[in-house]
Amino acid sequence: EVQLVESGGDLVQPGGSLRLSCAASGFTFNTYWMHWVRQVPGMGLEWVSRLSPHGSSITYADSVKGRFTLSRDSARNTLYLQMNSLRADDTAIYYCARGYGLDLWGQGTTVTVSS
Amino acid sequence: DVVVTQSPLSLPVTLGQPASISCRSSQSLAHSDENTYLNWFQQRPGQSPRRLIYKVSYRDSGVPDRFNGSGSDTDFTLKINRVEAEDVGIYYCMQGTHWPFTFGGGTKVEIK
Repeated sequence: EVQLVESGGDLVQPGGSLRLSCAASGFTFNTYWMHWVRQVPGMGLEWVSRLSPHGSSITYADSVKGRFTLSRDSARNTLYLQMNSLRADDTAIYYCARGYGLDLWGQGTTVTVSS
Repeated sequence: DVVVTQSPLSLPVTLGQPASISCRSSQSLAHSDENTYLNWFQQRPGQSPRRLIYKVSYRDSGVPDRFNGSGSDTDFTLKINRVEAEDVGIYYCMQGTHWPFTFGGGTKVEIK
């Protein structure tokens, strides 16, 4: 089955770190662009980061630049988002999405940053 | 960043009637490769977003043909020909021509 499954979301204190994972299955993972998009519950969508096929190009939204790091493990068909120096306004549901046009989304994983 | 503005914010519709959502961008979405990267997503209550339309007017596989996208340059529209109960949710447009990709604020479609 073609799907994306996110994990790793948790409650973390401000200034803390978290690593999100997105496991891909049913398609050739390293031939696709991959993205992270987040959504504050009840609010709109915000694009966070993207990674080109084979990982040669990575881009971040200004709001996370210098704090978040995107990577991919092609052997495990998994996308990672390492999040450091977390702030309250990083609280959101984090989705991974496939392809330049975001044609496939996972179910999301919830990150809560609070003391 | 390109600002994407959707209207209306809320759209109450009678079952079987048409619905139309507008999406406007602060810059032209025509790419140098001659494509226009404007997508539409549907988010049903409690679900992840699902892409409906890509490159302005191309319907994704499995999307009912009552959903139609149109437009060019900075002005785009999603039309639902005859709204069904399963169409309830929030609809987002997203531009993928300029980095960073940006989303509209969403339009909530509900049944009157």
